[in-house]
Amino acid sequence: GAGVSQSPRYKVAKRGQDVALRCDPISGHVSLFWYQQALGQGPEFLTYFQNEAQLDKSGLPSDRFFAERPEGSVSTLKIQRTQQEDSAVYLCASSLYEVGLSSYNEQFFGPGTRLTVL
Amino acid sequence: GESVGLHLPTLSVQEGDNSIINCAYSNSASDYFIWYKQESGKGPQFIIDIRSNMDKRQGQRVTVLLNKTVKHLSLQIAATQPGDSAVYFCAETNPNFGNEKLTFGTGTRLTIIP
Repeated sequence: GAGVSQSPRYKVAKRGQDVALRCDPISGHVSLFWYQQALGQGPEFLTYFQNEAQLDKSGLPSDRFFAERPEGSVSTLKIQRTQQEDSAVYLCASSLYEVGLSSYNEQFFGPGTRLTVL
Repeated sequence: GESVGLHLPTLSVQEGDNSIINCAYSNSASDYFIWYKQESGKGPQFIIDIRSNMDKRQGQRVTVLLNKTVKHLSLQIAATQPGDSAVYFCAETNPNFGNEKLTFGTGTRLTIIP
């Protein structure tokens, strides 16, 4: 595809339900990031993958949040036992190169998944 | 902790005028600063970036200025158009630490008045 795609675009969950959010990065992109954006706020970093390796998960707010990228392309962010404070837009971004080349690699963002927990 | 913040939450500008969006940062180790534009229902879209060893960079109708002395950067948009209406975020990152995670500010909503 031409850009990063995410599905579903909208998800409504009852408190306590598990949800899975999917990200399809730009083909060939090595790095993949997940961000959480609360209403009226800037995105906040959750986790980062380089190919299939999860190199940083310091931003995940609790152990209810889990992300994977088993084949180094598609990624899934899973939230278990959702809470109302999990309501936010979840953004996925990808960049072409691996980190560590001492130059910034532009991150391309998907449209996000808006999660509402009732 | 370290943060990237903005001075003004909203800005209204007459179409055709120039606009300036400001941003303050506190992490002295920041190496790259990036401006993103986010329209309603969409993900952030890259506008322009600047490295910490520069003080000015120009793109098409946009200019970013970096003042490391006071830890301040700005985005200037020339001859604004209705399509410039959006929320603008500054963000910082330091790939030298082996992670390009972005730290965003809270954003400024720019409204272009026809």
